[in-house]
Amino acid sequence: NAGVTQTPKFQVLKTGQSMTLQCAQDMNHNSMYWYRQDPGMGLRLIYYSASEGTTDKGEVPNGYNVSRLNKREFSLRLESAAPSQTSVYFCASSERLLNTEAFFGQGTRLTVV
Amino acid sequence: AQSVTQLDSQVPVFEEAPVELRCNYSSSVSVYLFWYVQYPNQGLQLLLKYLSGSTLVESINGFEAEFNKSQTSFHLRKPSVHISDTAEYFCAVSETNAGGTSYGKLTFGQGTILTVHP
Repeated sequence: NAGVTQTPKFQVLKTGQSMTLQCAQDMNHNSMYWYRQDPGMGLRLIYYSASEGTTDKGEVPNGYNVSRLNKREFSLRLESAAPSQTSVYFCASSERLLNTEAFFGQGTRLTVV
Repeated sequence: AQSVTQLDSQVPVFEEAPVELRCNYSSSVSVYLFWYVQYPNQGLQLLLKYLSGSTLVESINGFEAEFNKSQTSFHLRKPSVHISDTAEYFCAVSETNAGGTSYGKLTFGQGTILTVHP
């Protein structure tokens, strides 16, 4: 049982380049989330999708877009990467109606130079 | 909006000593509370959670946390730590609606790095 799978694991981008981070879960969860982790700041919510077909902004959405492709997949896109977006990105999923905890992927370490 | 404060950014401790990692939160509504652990270069794993019922919750590897509503705290404790407990620990909250269903979104504290020395 894979849980939450993120690709890629590592990425280096030049300022201004674009890329999409992929996330898929196999737990049939309705809700999915994207967080970024920065030293000393914990994890901060970028975007979330409460259910298939819906997406909403989190605490730090600027510079990002998301797509809930289907129930399993939730992607995060950086249209024009900036050095401030250097971070570790985590995707998570949960079944909030059953009050389950969030399950996290292994993370994508992104460096923007 | 809710917020979470972890009072110690780093906690060094010797093996077999007790440890307490402190967490305080603020919220205008009821919350669910979580502790997650992150080992180096890995994702977050749930350590324990409080949803309702007994205010003392335990994990399978000897950690426990007590929900104190009056002090809005959810401190994590372990009576005797091991080298393998070295990791970063995150406290998190999720607000709930009037029916007790979580909104799912987590607000995290800044993290506490626990280092266990031999």
